[in-house]
Amino acid sequence: KAGVTQTPRYLIKTRGQQVTLSCSPISGHRSVSWYQQTPGQGLQFLFEYFSETQRNKGNFPGRFSGRQFSNSRSEMNVSTLELGDSALYLCASSLYSRNRANTGELFFGEGSRLTVL
Amino acid sequence: EDKVVQSPLSLVVHEGDTVTLNCSYEVTNFRSLLWYKQEKKAPTFLFMLTSSGIEKKSGRLSSILDKKELFSILNITATQTGDSAVYLCAVEGISGAGSYQLTFGKGTKLSVIP
Repeated sequence: KAGVTQTPRYLIKTRGQQVTLSCSPISGHRSVSWYQQTPGQGLQFLFEYFSETQRNKGNFPGRFSGRQFSNSRSEMNVSTLELGDSALYLCASSLYSRNRANTGELFFGEGSRLTVL
Repeated sequence: EDKVVQSPLSLVVHEGDTVTLNCSYEVTNFRSLLWYKQEKKAPTFLFMLTSSGIEKKSGRLSSILDKKELFSILNITATQTGDSAVYLCAVEGISGAGSYQLTFGKGTKLSVIP
């Protein structure tokens, strides 16, 4: 079956602009989590969506937001971009919300590489 | 705040060597520890550990968890150049908001030279 698909794969923006990234999870998966990966900080959790509801949020400013649609596809938006937002943004899907008793592995997409100039 | 520390941050070995990667953690209400391999972009799942002392094995890779001492190790025997990657350790615990959340370490970059 198809894996997690993220678009766009690469993009370049300038400071102050905003960006929207998209993630299509594995068919049947209802949980989508977003992570930011930078060389200095590693992988940091942004938020998780399950059944169109945000279930959990990491320690990122309000400029970072997301949503999930009824088909489980998710988007994340970053407004008023800063140089420090340059990173690889990874999306991961799983069958269940992380809040369920049954944990399961995360399946990652290949990421969207954002460069802010 | 949850914390996951991996060591070493990087290492270079020759093909055929055996390596041990370390992951120590401080997590509220631990639920599981996961290992991932990241070669180019997408991390790929290796193991999920929930119980102490039970070794998980897949080919030349194995991992074990010690919940008393709060650490895990990932062993790779007879390394091959294809094992070159960043190995990520992630621990799942309850976040400040009361939800389960994965906290990742910064990874160990393994380079295997012929």
